[in-house]
Amino acid sequence: GEDVEQSLFLSVREGDSSVINCTYTDSSSTYLYWYKQEPGAGLQLLTYIFSNMDMKQDQRLTVLLNKKDKHLSLRIADTQTGDSAIYFCAETDYGNNRLAFGKGNQVVVIP
Amino acid sequence: DTAVSQTPKYLVTQMGNDKSIKCEQNLGHDTMYWYKQDSKKFLKIMFSYNNKELIINETVPNRFSPKSPDKAHLNLHINSLELGDSAVYFCASSQDLHQPQHFGDGTRLSIL
Repeated sequence: GEDVEQSLFLSVREGDSSVINCTYTDSSSTYLYWYKQEPGAGLQLLTYIFSNMDMKQDQRLTVLLNKKDKHLSLRIADTQTGDSAIYFCAETDYGNNRLAFGKGNQVVVIP
Repeated sequence: DTAVSQTPKYLVTQMGNDKSIKCEQNLGHDTMYWYKQDSKKFLKIMFSYNNKELIINETVPNRFSPKSPDKAHLNLHINSLELGDSAVYFCASSQDLHQPQHFGDGTRLSIL
């Protein structure tokens, strides 16, 4: 099965870039996702990348995938107060027909 | 035009009661899920249904019973509620088992 690891807490000043990291263990082809959870809300799908890609950019978001190290990162440029949330990475676990979620990384943006 | 909607948003009830949470999706998806998020924000899959058939049934007490009357609905009934059932329960849906999942806003269940 998959084991998805994330660090827990990050504080960043408004306007700076923030980087959230995630490692996974499955080596098969798969989709990898980033979800955002604002306080009191559900999970919002931010972006996703297939494992045959190295990078995906979507406006202020850049996803980098290092397949050799099984390392996924999400970079948020020009971080804003609305980016304060918990960010979850997740991986498709094809064998068990489910998503394997990391424990989440809380990002706090300081004005 | 909410994609995945669940009701109620908040549920406060006493230990031993039976309660239901409803979920509906208007995305035309074939697969629906229930997750439990604990106080440490850890997400755990409970059930998934594909075309109204149960696909995933994790190690969940049999007090929890999902019901899918049609592809657009997946309800969760909980019997004999216990203190440890306090959590946020999320419904989600996807086109199929391997496509991105879209989540509802959650039901915050508090057991007194």
